Amino acid sequence: DIVMTQSPSSLAVSAGETVTINCKSSQSLLSSGNQKNYLAWYQQKPGQSPKLLIYLASTRESGVPDRFIGSGSGTDFTLTISSVQAEDLADYYCQQHYSYPTFGSGTKLEIK
Amino acid sequence: EVQLVESGGGLVQPGRSLKLSCAASGFTFSNYYMAWVRQAPTKGLEWVASITNSGGSTYYRDSVKGRFTISRDNAKSTLYLQMDSLRSEDTATYYCTRVHWGVFDYWGQGVMVTVSS
Repeated sequence: DIVMTQSPSSLAVSAGETVTINCKSSQSLLSSGNQKNYLAWYQQKPGQSPKLLIYLASTRESGVPDRFIGSGSGTDFTLTISSVQAEDLADYYCQQHYSYPTFGSGTKLEIK
Repeated sequence: EVQLVESGGGLVQPGRSLKLSCAASGFTFSNYYMAWVRQAPTKGLEWVASITNSGGSTYYRDSVKGRFTISRDNAKSTLYLQMDSLRSEDTATYYCTRVHWGVFDYWGQGVMVTVSS
């Protein structure tokens, strides 16, 4: 299985700040066939189901605000949330979709 | 609007069985792979099982192989998860999800399964 290591496990920021969440995979998620990285990000707000934010490392799902930016390639990936808002309070998970899906352990984002 | 509505959860004793259902609407069910993802209380997300759009192939995580069976009825737009020989570690909220490009693009509200004596 591909192991996904996410960091930090939690962080607290003030509204308007920029947040970076990291995700590292135990093997490359880059397909040699199409040069795409099979990495997704999800947001889970308190008491709600997860919501897909980004897939193929940097493709934003329809309706997701452009302050959510996915980047990275190979084994190292980042979710950046610029100008964090109070509504961004949530847990964030990365997931590889290169093989049988596995998730990172999650990052809890708190707003000061 | 895509909707996924799970049912069938509850409290069950270790070793017993339970069958979850997921009624899908708002999209052509037979065109999509589907999957179950679970989340133990206060824990992270864990993929459980997937099924191809025709139902011809199924995939499971190792810890549920031989105990869980994923299936679908395309005529009824319904996904199922038959869970046998349940263990305490299967206690979780189970989410029905639609699969697209290998990611879970729509999620149901979840159904709680508690395995306890």
